[in-house]
Formats: sequence, C-alpha cells, structure tokens
Amino acid sequence: AQSVTQPDIHITVSEGASLELRCNYSYGATPYLFWYVQSPGQGLQLLLKYFSGDTLVQGIKGFEAEFKRSQSSFNLRKPSVHWSDAAEYFCAVALVSGNTPLVFGKGTRLSVIA
Amino acid sequence: EPEVTQTPSHQVTQMGQEVILRCVPISNHLYFYWYRQILGQKVEFLVSFYNNEISEKSEIFDDQFSVERPDGSNFTLKIRSTKLEDSAMYFCASSARGDTQYFGPGTRLTVL
Repeated sequence: AQSVTQPDIHITVSEGASLELRCNYSYGATPYLFWYVQSPGQGLQLLLKYFSGDTLVQGIKGFEAEFKRSQSSFNLRKPSVHWSDAAEYFCAVALVSGNTPLVFGKGTRLSVIA
Repeated sequence: EPEVTQTPSHQVTQMGQEVILRCVPISNHLYFYWYRQILGQKVEFLVSFYNNEISEKSEIFDDQFSVERPDGSNFTLKIRSTKLEDSAMYFCASSARGDTQYFGPGTRLTVL
C-alpha cells in the first residue's frame, strides 16, 4: 500500500539556522508530491509541489524541496529559519492520474528557538 | 487570493446527534474533498466529489456520512449520528483540475 514517512516527529532549530525536513514515500510510480504547513489553529497551507521536470522546486516563504527518485524522497529545506516558521509540516503524495486522494505523512513539528 | 472557507470553526454536539459541516470552495474549482485529522494523528482522506457525485471514498466514509453540493457555492459534509470517535478536525479542500488541492481552515468537531 502507498505510504508516506516523515521520520522526525519533532525538530528544534535555532533562528537563522538551516532546516531540512525529511519525507520518504512508497509508491509503485513517481507520484505528485506536496508539502503543506499548518500553523497553530490554522488550516493546511500549500508550500510547494512537484509534478515533473526540475527536481528542485521553489515554494513560498523561502522554502524549497528536492525530489530524489533513487531515494524516493522529497525533503523540504530552508537556508535560514525564522521564528514564524514554527508550525507542523506535512508531506503528502497523490497518484499522477489526477483527482486522487492525498496521502499524508504524520507530520513534523518544528520549534524555533532564539 | 481566493480561499476555501469553512463554517463553523468549532462545533460541539452530543453523541447521536446529526451535524452538518459547511464549506465554500474556491469559486472556479470543480473538485471537492473532505479530510479529517483526529488529534495527534495524520490527516486522512474521507471523500472526493466531482460533477455532482462522489468520485472516491475511504473506508472511514460509511453510511453515517454523506456529502452534498446544495447550490453553486456550498459543499457540505453530514454526519447522521455522531459517535465519540468522530471528534476530529475536518478539512475541506478544492481543486481546479484535480491535481493541487487547497485546504480550508478546518472545523473542529467535538462529540460529547
């Protein structure tokens, strides 16, 4: 069955430090790949997505993610974290056939310290 | 920027009661979805809806659940007889072409 793994439940980084959140998926073929962010009390906001083409994708708020087919990974990165980035981050995948459900990872909670 | 909206933001109900959660998708979107997130767990798919009918539903979406698009703007999720285990955050999402889904802020349902 399809699955998404986010191995880190909670990560704490210092403001200004770099960040990498890991995501691995298990699918029969390359799916559509997404990262969403959920701030406290808020909904899920789309950060970025990968459908095809350039494997390094840029998103909002200075985030980027790199698709690595050989590793079945889609890790999220940010070179310098801001205190406002503290939130829950969800990796999600969907089959390429379209109008298919998103399958989410369990999420990684990011804390930012001064 | 267009957004998905959901009402109410928080609903408290007694076990066995019916609840209707409401969503207004982004206006030119054609695909609609409901997901839920039980506290501390991952976001789970419930149902997708296109062209006035259900496209796909999960095992969670049993006979107690139904969806409707009563007019050109609203998309509703009804739970006929709520159970304690229905307590969760319910998210509505919409998509223009069935690929990228945009989520609303969620409705927190508490069943007592």
